Amino acid sequence: AQTVTQSQPEMSVQEAETVTLSCTYDTSESDYYLFWYKQPPSRQMILVIRQEAYKQQNATENRFSVNFQKAAKSFSLKISDSQLGDAAMYFCALTYNNNDMRFGAGTRLTVKP
Amino acid sequence: DADVTQTPRNRITKTGKRIMLECSQTKGHDRMYWYRQDPGLGLRLIYYSFDVKDINKGEISDGYSVSRQAQAKFSLSLESAIPNQTALYFCATSDLGLVSGELFFGEGSRLTVL
Repeated sequence: AQTVTQSQPEMSVQEAETVTLSCTYDTSESDYYLFWYKQPPSRQMILVIRQEAYKQQNATENRFSVNFQKAAKSFSLKISDSQLGDAAMYFCALTYNNNDMRFGAGTRLTVKP
Repeated sequence: DADVTQTPRNRITKTGKRIMLECSQTKGHDRMYWYRQDPGLGLRLIYYSFDVKDINKGEISDGYSVSRQAQAKFSLSLESAIPNQTALYFCATSDLGLVSGELFFGEGSRLTVL
């Protein structure tokens, strides 16, 4: 069974500073994919970043980067130079096939001006 | 206009009523999904469809049914709504499948069952 755990229900960060959101997962598959999705107040889910498990290099998308620790089954998201528009719910997700994507419970990020 | 459109956006209904949530997409994707979001639980897959003749149950399909009327339309039905089906429901589409990561979501349908 695949599970995704986000242990931080809420986080806050000062504008322009850096914040790290934690995610751990469990899967028996050797080949899988990990994602971070953002859900702003508009509700629509938006893909932030994607990581293939077979790639050792950590994915980066502009101010967003991940720290992927395969042995520890950890997949944290770092947001640098936080902006007010980064305030949202962030979901960590995992899939190993095309049939299902498992999501964590989410972390609500507040950005303080 | 949004690429993935869900109607209604919000709905309040009573226990025992039949409810249909509709989803249409203009992305031309074959793969469509229905997810349910609950606080503290994240999103869970209800049903998915890879084409009009292919319907599959997800993690939590009990109490739900779906219809894929066309490539662009995928509806979710609650035959007899109950209060624990109160949730935010999302339709999503994908071109290459989940492993590509490109799940495109609608804006959600918030359903309240009294």
